[in-house]
Parts: sequence; structure tokens; C-alpha cells
Amino acid sequence: NAGVTQTPKFRILKIGQSMTLQCTQDMNHNYMYWYRQDPGMGLKLIYYSVGAGITDKGEVPNGYNVSRSTTEDFPLRLELAAPSQTSVYFCASSYSIGGAAEQYFGPGTRLTVT
Amino acid sequence: DQQVKQNSPSLSVQEGRISILNCDYTNSMFDYFLWYKKYPAEGPTFLISISSIKDKNEDGRFTVFLNKSAKHLSLHIVPSQPGDSAVYFCAARNKDFGNEKLTFGTGTRLTIIP
Repeated sequence: NAGVTQTPKFRILKIGQSMTLQCTQDMNHNYMYWYRQDPGMGLKLIYYSVGAGITDKGEVPNGYNVSRSTTEDFPLRLELAAPSQTSVYFCASSYSIGGAAEQYFGPGTRLTVT
Repeated sequence: DQQVKQNSPSLSVQEGRISILNCDYTNSMFDYFLWYKKYPAEGPTFLISISSIKDKNEDGRFTVFLNKSAKHLSLHIVPSQPGDSAVYFCAARNKDFGNEKLTFGTGTRLTIIP
């Protein structure tokens, strides 16, 4: 079990460029999430998905888009990158079987926009 | 409006002693509280959780205490070990949203001094 994998690990973008952050999980989890973490801050939810074909906005969705065509994959698209999107991005997944249904996180993608 | 607060950005504890990390919250709709541990350049990993109907949950060296009347929870690590040096995030789940939304605190950096 690889768990949650993210690519790339690092990326530098110029202002106005676009890119897709990839996220894949092999745990057959139905819920998936994208967070960003800015220095000294907690994780902020960008988008989440409760299953293939279903996505919804989190706390900070502006400037991002997502899609969920399969259970395993949940890519995050940045259009027209801005310096404010410099952050570390984490993908997570969970299985809604009741209880705390803890989320499992990937290793993160460190993105710099200059 | 920060609904989950970790007021201590850092904490240093001697190896073998008890580490106590604190977390305060404001939203009465939170039904589960979770602690995550994060090493540099890695994603957060789930440590322990507690339901809002309980006041204590224990897992090995880790115990979480919940005081609902004070809207306060704490994570106790005893005895503390060098490998416990990491950033610890408190997170809370809103029962109105189920698994979709965790609200994270800003984290406390724990350093265990050998």
C-alpha cells in the first residue's frame, strides 16, 4: 500500500502559468481533500470530494479547480498562478465508516510562484 | 475567526518527562477531535482522536483529555522520546458536515531535549 501519493514534490511557477498537482490514493477511500499550509498557519481546506464525480468548495477555493473522475485520483488545477498561491499543498483521503474517520495525508507539494 | 486555537507555537521538554500540548476551540458543533503529528517535509500523520462524548482516550504513550465545559483539549505524551520532536496539530470535525471538513489549529512545535 503506497497510501496517498502526490506529484511533483517541488515546483517553481512564474506568475500567470498554470499547473496540475496530482494526487492518487490506493486505499479505496471515498473522501478526498486538498489543503494548503502557509508558514506558521494550520491547514486550510481548498476543495474536497465525497466520491467520483462529486466535488465541493472548501474554505479557500479561489484560483483552483478540481475534478474526480475515479475513486483513486483527485488532481488540483491552478490557473493563472499568483504569488499568493505560494504554499505547501497536501492531499488527503478518508473512508466514511463512522467515528473520527481520520484523514490520511500525502507528503505534500511545495509550490513557489515568482 | 479561528475556531481551533493552539496558543503555544513551541514547547521544549526533557526526554523522559511528560509533554502536554493544549488546544482550545469555540464551536460547540465539533463532534470529534483529532491530533496529527508532522515531521519536516512530510505530510501530517494521524495520532489519536476523541469523541465529544468522552473525556479521555489513551493509546500507548499518548492520552488525549477533553474538557467540554472549558472547550479545551490536551495531548499528553509520557514518557517523551526524541522521536516525538515534531509539529503537532489539533483538528476538529463539525458534525454538521460529517467527514468533509476538519478545522485545524496552527500547530505546536515540540522539541524533546535528550
